[in-house]
Amino acid sequence: GNSVTQMEGPVTLSEEAFLTINCTYTATGYPSLFWYVQYPGEGLQLLLKATKADDKGSNKGFEATYRKETTSFHLEKGSVQVSDSAVYFCALRGVTGGYNKLIFGAGTRLAVHP
Amino acid sequence: EAGVAQSPRYKIIEKRQSVAFWCNPISGHATLYWYQQILGQGPKLLIQFQNNGVVDDSQLPKDRFSAERLKGVDSTLKIQPAKLEDSAVYLCASSLSDSGWGLAGADTQYFGPGTRLTVL
Repeated sequence: GNSVTQMEGPVTLSEEAFLTINCTYTATGYPSLFWYVQYPGEGLQLLLKATKADDKGSNKGFEATYRKETTSFHLEKGSVQVSDSAVYFCALRGVTGGYNKLIFGAGTRLAVHP
Repeated sequence: EAGVAQSPRYKIIEKRQSVAFWCNPISGHATLYWYQQILGQGPKLLIQFQNNGVVDDSQLPKDRFSAERLKGVDSTLKIQPAKLEDSAVYLCASSLSDSGWGLAGADTQYFGPGTRLTVL
């Protein structure tokens, strides 16, 4: 069935460092891919998405490219800020068990220090 | 625009007790979702409504969980009786529709802050 695997956290970085959070997926067909972010005490927010191969999603300085050949959707940011500290979830939307549903990875906690 | 509202934010109960969670989606959103997020895991879909009808409840433990969306707006999720393994955050989300076709972004899900349930 469909699944998403993310790198384990926590990821700890200094401010202005480069960020990569790896995400790979297993899916039949052509899923859409997403990154959600969960700030402390808040609900999940959509960060970016890509709906077909080679699409690049971007928002707030974050970006991720839908790579069908490597079944990956890695999240990157060139210079992180303390305010980026949060839990990041990779997800795919595709047909699972006959239903078009959103499947999440386990999440990666990012901590950015000044 | 108001976001997805959930209440209560926190709940502590003894095992075998009952509990109910409430969700009010974004106005005009036809599709409503309930997710369970166990600590250290990603959210898992429990049930999806389209207006007041159930679209997918394949992962809802129906012997103890129930949900309704009688008027196609707000929704209630109930657990009766609760077990220790039900300790989790229960997230509600809504979207304009459940399809990616038509209006771009119509199936984008917006999440509420969640209800953290602790079963002792």
